Amino acid sequence: AQKITQTQPGMFVQEKEAVTLDCTYDTSDPSYGLFWYKQPSSGEMIFLIYQGSYDQQNATEGRYSLNFQKARKSANLVISASQLGDSAMYFCAMREGNTGGFKTIFGAGTRLFVKA
Amino acid sequence: EAGVAQSPRYKIIEKRQSVAFWCNPISGHATLYWYQQILGQGPKLLIQFQNNGVVDDSQLPKDRFSAERLKGVDSTLKIQPAKLEDSAVYLCASSLTPTGVAFFGQGTRLTVV
Repeated sequence: AQKITQTQPGMFVQEKEAVTLDCTYDTSDPSYGLFWYKQPSSGEMIFLIYQGSYDQQNATEGRYSLNFQKARKSANLVISASQLGDSAMYFCAMREGNTGGFKTIFGAGTRLFVKA
Repeated sequence: EAGVAQSPRYKIIEKRQSVAFWCNPISGHATLYWYQQILGQGPKLLIQFQNNGVVDDSQLPKDRFSAERLKGVDSTLKIQPAKLEDSAVYLCASSLTPTGVAFFGQGTRLTVV
């Protein structure tokens, strides 16, 4: 069963507008972490934002915010004021486990295209 | 602060040949990961080290893949013999702790022909 699901293979957004990239997850662990990474065409995975399962507030990092809805098991990434340089692949990831071992798994990704 | 270093950036080999990739993590990072990313997919964890010990290698094809991190710092990933389906980007990442944010290198793009 898929543990991380990104249902949007591709998304288009107009420059300067906001866009939401969807991510749902599945875990039975009470303690877990959710991450978003950006992968431009150069190939490097760039960390964007992190949300812990016990965090009460949604995480924000500059133009990035994570819309965390625990009951729905969703962790959507919101990018405000899109820029041309935001065009890239975006991956949602989840870390689960306990002191016996932690594992981070990735979704299939969403390709974002920002139009001028 | 220097990031995760990987080499080579690109490698083309024929099937049944062997290949090795090298990774130097961020200084002080105890946890090191090797991921395989096939074109159009998300990264898949191959092996995770904590210092020089293996924490998780459940998805490593052990009949052909091996990895080591002998001194708990840099690491090598080897494939012998390579198959066509091993064509992928191999990403190395490191984190300060197993629960910390993982930072990635630029990856090695392997093409098996």
